[in-house]
Amino acid sequence: GQNIDQPTEMTATEGAIVQINCTYQTSGFNGLFWYQQHAGEAPTFLSYNVLDGLEEKGRFSSFLSRSKGYSYLLLKELQMKDSASYLCAVRGRLWGKLQFGAGTQVVVTP
Amino acid sequence: DTAVSQTPKYLVTQMGNDKSIKCEQNLGHDTMYWYKQDSKKFLKIMFSYNNKELIINETVPNRFSPKSPDKAHLNLHINSLELGDSAVYFCASSPSGLASDTQYFGPGTRLTVL
Repeated sequence: GQNIDQPTEMTATEGAIVQINCTYQTSGFNGLFWYQQHAGEAPTFLSYNVLDGLEEKGRFSSFLSRSKGYSYLLLKELQMKDSASYLCAVRGRLWGKLQFGAGTQVVVTP
Repeated sequence: DTAVSQTPKYLVTQMGNDKSIKCEQNLGHDTMYWYKQDSKKFLKIMFSYNNKELIINETVPNRFSPKSPDKAHLNLHINSLELGDSAVYFCASSPSGLASDTQYFGPGTRLTVL
């Protein structure tokens, strides 16, 4: 089976940095995804990590450590529009399902 | 221009009724999925089809039956609706079923069973 844990909620001010952690336990590992979901909308793809290390994409970066079963999503220069739920998702088997965490609600305040 | 579309967006119905949700993707993807997102926001896979063949079938009641007439469409039919079926149902697609493939989600169908 798979267990994916991430904090329920985080609050930060505009312009700040927030780091969302995700820990997972899976039988097999074939990649970790981060998705953003605004209230009432569909999840949208942010990043994909399959090898250890940091992937940077503009204001967003994602890190993976496979030996520790750990990833984080770093959001820099926070903007009000970044207020959303951030979902960590792991693929265990090569052709297997994507298992999602419960999501971390990020609230950006002025 | 919509990549993954679903109809209807909202569905309100009585317990015991049968209803269908339709999904279409114009991305040329081979694989399509149905997810359920409950009130606690957990997004759980229900079914996955690759080129019209069922490849993932989670522990879902038999009242739920997916149908894929072609690889661009994946519909979900639900019989004898129950209160616990109330949720947002998302359709998604990906180029293939490979681990690295990004999944693209439709706008969701909010189902309310009264």
